[in-house]
Amino acid sequence: EVQLLESGGGLVQPGGSLRLSCTASGFTFSSYAMSWVRQAPGKGLEWVSAISGRGGSTYYADSVKGRFTISRDNSKNTLYLQMSSLRAEDTAVYYCAKGGDTSELVRWFDPWGQGTLVTVSS
Amino acid sequence: DIVMTQSPDSLAVSLGERATISCKSSQNVLYSSDNKNFLAWYQQKPGQPPKLLIYWASTRESGVPDRFSGSGSGTDFTLTISSLQAEDVAVYYCQQYYTTPRTFGQGTKLEIK
Repeated sequence: EVQLLESGGGLVQPGGSLRLSCTASGFTFSSYAMSWVRQAPGKGLEWVSAISGRGGSTYYADSVKGRFTISRDNSKNTLYLQMSSLRAEDTAVYYCAKGGDTSELVRWFDPWGQGTLVTVSS
Repeated sequence: DIVMTQSPDSLAVSLGERATISCKSSQNVLYSSDNKNFLAWYQQKPGQPPKLLIYWASTRESGVPDRFSGSGSGTDFTLTISSLQAEDVAVYYCQQYYTTPRTFGQGTKLEIK
């Protein structure tokens, strides 16, 4: 069974930094592109970032470009999201999601982790 | 960016009746070389992460009940639940994967009438 477990969320002040992790199991991690998708409280879904299976290609939403960095350690089956210069509008549940097929860039997201809440507030 | 617009924003349907949700993309998401529509549908129940229902606009994910079906092409798509069950109460999202950034519709909240 595929499992994705996020960690690292919490309360951070505006301008601060945080690193999210997503530990994967149940599939060949390096064969799949991975992604982060966030959901602000009571709002819809927003794609944040994606990374290819080997980590050589990365993609970002304009809203986080230059502030967030996605990476992966295939030896540890772990996906990361380094977030800096955080703003109040970054407050959301951050989901880790696996690419639904083995394409270079995540197409559809399947499955999703349970999410980790990031709150940016003073 | 491709803008995905769902309608309605909310919908109340009686148990056993048909529920239909529309999703329109601001640009074509049909890849003509292989005739595939780069569109997925998700279901999100309260307090849970989204769950994939359909990809390639009409391919049902394994384990998804066959009362869920997807249709449409180009810029206009539909998610249909043929006979609403109580466990189908959720928010439904469409998502395009034709271009980056991947974008989602705003969601349609489905309730029981």
